[in-house]
Amino acid sequence: AQTVTQSQPEMSVQEAETVTLSCTYDTSESDYYLFWYKQPPSRQMILVIRQEAYKQQNATENRFSVNFQKAAKSFSLKISDSQLGDAAMYFCASTPPRKAAGNKLTFGGGTRVLVKP
Amino acid sequence: DGGITQSPKYLFRKEGQNVTLSCEQNLNHDAMYWYRQDPGQGLRLIYYSQIVNDFQKGDIAEGYSVSREKKESFPLTVTSAQKNPTAFYLCASSIGRGPDGYTFGSGTRLTVV
Repeated sequence: AQTVTQSQPEMSVQEAETVTLSCTYDTSESDYYLFWYKQPPSRQMILVIRQEAYKQQNATENRFSVNFQKAAKSFSLKISDSQLGDAAMYFCASTPPRKAAGNKLTFGGGTRVLVKP
Repeated sequence: DGGITQSPKYLFRKEGQNVTLSCEQNLNHDAMYWYRQDPGQGLRLIYYSQIVNDFQKGDIAEGYSVSREKKESFPLTVTSAQKNPTAFYLCASSIGRGPDGYTFGSGTRLTVV
């Protein structure tokens, strides 16, 4: 079965500093998508950033960027210039194998980010 | 604007009652999903549906039931057989395998009283 692992249950960062969340995944596919979702205290899940495995260039969305290492099956999220509003749970997710029907994402267990003022 | 609407936001259930959580989307997405989230935990898949009139069990389907009679709607019933139903329930939809991932609803908080 496909797995996504987030090894850091909680990370703390000072406001304006940078924090990196790690995610590793297990897939036999060559083409797939990876996602980072943010869940703030409101519990609304928000898509932060996505990466297509075929694209070597790391995705960037404003202060959020990823370090995608395909061979190592690693997909870390870097939050730069952290703001109080970045405090949330962050979930890493991957698309299923092509042979699997549908688009049932596999989620990691989540990393809680605390931002200190 | 297109999106997913979950209702109610808060729901209270008495012991032995069945309750139904609503999930409606106007995104024209084929697939819909129900997840359960316990405090401080990740997402666990209850049921999913890839097309109208078809659905499959997820990892924790026992004590839950669903229907998919319309493309827009995927209600979840928490039955009395679910012994520990107090949790946060998230509904999501997707257009298919691709870069869009899921669109999530805002969730329903179910509490047994």
